[in-house]
Amino acid sequence: QVQLQESGPGLVKPSETLSLICTVSGGSISSYYWSWIRQPPGKGLEWIGYIDDSGSTNYNPSLKSRVTISVDTSKNHFSLKLSSVTAADTAVYHCARLGAVILTNWFDPWGQGTLVTVSS
Amino acid sequence: EIVMTQSPATLSISPGERATLSCRASQSVSRHLAWYQQKPGQAPRLLMYGAATRATGIPARFSGSGSGTEFTLTISSLQSEDFAVYYCQQYHNWPPLTFGGGTKVEIK
Repeated sequence: QVQLQESGPGLVKPSETLSLICTVSGGSISSYYWSWIRQPPGKGLEWIGYIDDSGSTNYNPSLKSRVTISVDTSKNHFSLKLSSVTAADTAVYHCARLGAVILTNWFDPWGQGTLVTVSS
Repeated sequence: EIVMTQSPATLSISPGERATLSCRASQSVSRHLAWYQQKPGQAPRLLMYGAATRATGIPARFSGSGSGTEFTLTISSLQSEDFAVYYCQQYHNWPPLTFGGGTKVEIK
């Protein structure tokens, strides 16, 4: 079965760029959308964006100016970059598979998540 | 953007009892709604999609209903492993995909 695992620095300085990788195992990265979702401590879930295997992306308008999601199909992983971070970007960042067929756009499965703290 | 609102924020309930969780959309999402369960320190797990279809491996004590703007997740007889936070998510009109704020089901 498909499993996802996030990796990357747990601490980022304000104004710098947050960078994370999600490695997909147990299945191919094709035929789905691959997404990032974040969860500030004690709060709810916020969708960040997705990428498909061709590199097409779609981002949450609230974060669009600062987000870049990319994919490396040869390594079966995709990445998140969030620029100009502030303390408000402190969150657990999850990656997840998103259904790509119209109106099948739920997330399953999810990665465990990785906490990224923005602090000097 | 479609805003999803869940109630109550916290539900205190005893094992064996029935739990009813609500999710409301700011505009119609038809039946394009999913539910997730999240336990502390774990990834969210898909419970339902299409408002009422259980995901693979989800026990029959979980059921979903509703359409349009009002949805319900019911757990018929709470088991110890069901105490968690539950989120709804709409996928009718996006971007952005949006989630409710969650309902925490805790032991009374």
